[in-house]
Amino acid sequence: GAGVSQSPSNKVTEKGKDVELRCDPISGHTALYWYRQSLGQGLEFLIYFQGNSAPDKSGLPSDRFSAERTGGSVSTLTIQRTQQEDSAVYLCASSGGGRAKNIQYFGAGTRLSVL
Amino acid sequence: AQKITQTQPGMFVQEKEAVTLDCTYDTSDQSYGLFWYKQPSSGEMIFLIYQGSYDEQNATEGRYSLNFQKARKSANLVISASQLGDSAMYFCAMAKRGSNYKLTFGKGTLLTVNP
Repeated sequence: GAGVSQSPSNKVTEKGKDVELRCDPISGHTALYWYRQSLGQGLEFLIYFQGNSAPDKSGLPSDRFSAERTGGSVSTLTIQRTQQEDSAVYLCASSGGGRAKNIQYFGAGTRLSVL
Repeated sequence: AQKITQTQPGMFVQEKEAVTLDCTYDTSDQSYGLFWYKQPSSGEMIFLIYQGSYDEQNATEGRYSLNFQKARKSANLVISASQLGDSAMYFCAMAKRGSNYKLTFGKGTLLTVNP
């Protein structure tokens, strides 16, 4: 696609349930990032994938959070046993090679509400 | 550790006038990149402009320019000839070059353009 695509755009879930958020990066982009945006914490880095290298998981807030990237393209962020403090907008970004390799392009985000 | 400070929670500007959004940063890294993103009420993060720490000239992209003062560790965004569509949240961010290039964001400035 032309841009980073995220689904769903909105997700409402009950406390304790698992959720999966999907990100489809810009075609050809080798790097993929997940960020979280919340009122209290602002924008926070969660995890980074680059090609076939081991992901940088240093930003994941707890072991309830995990992510995978299949075939070097689509990524799924999974939150297990959701808590109310997980409510936030989850943003995915990708970046590629060439002159603009340092530029991260973002999707529209998934707004997660945990009731 | 890196830190971005945006001291203006909100700014107002008249249509067609210029406005400067402030950003200061703190890092011990020698090689880094500075970014500005725009986030309208729709939620998507839109890349505006990038400045590398070794770039000698200030970056410009259309009506956007980045006033980079390395010794002062500041990277202010200047928007010329403001338009009503410029009303949005603006985030300054930085990343250390070479590794995973994850972004550290400031808390943002809400710009309102008045007709």
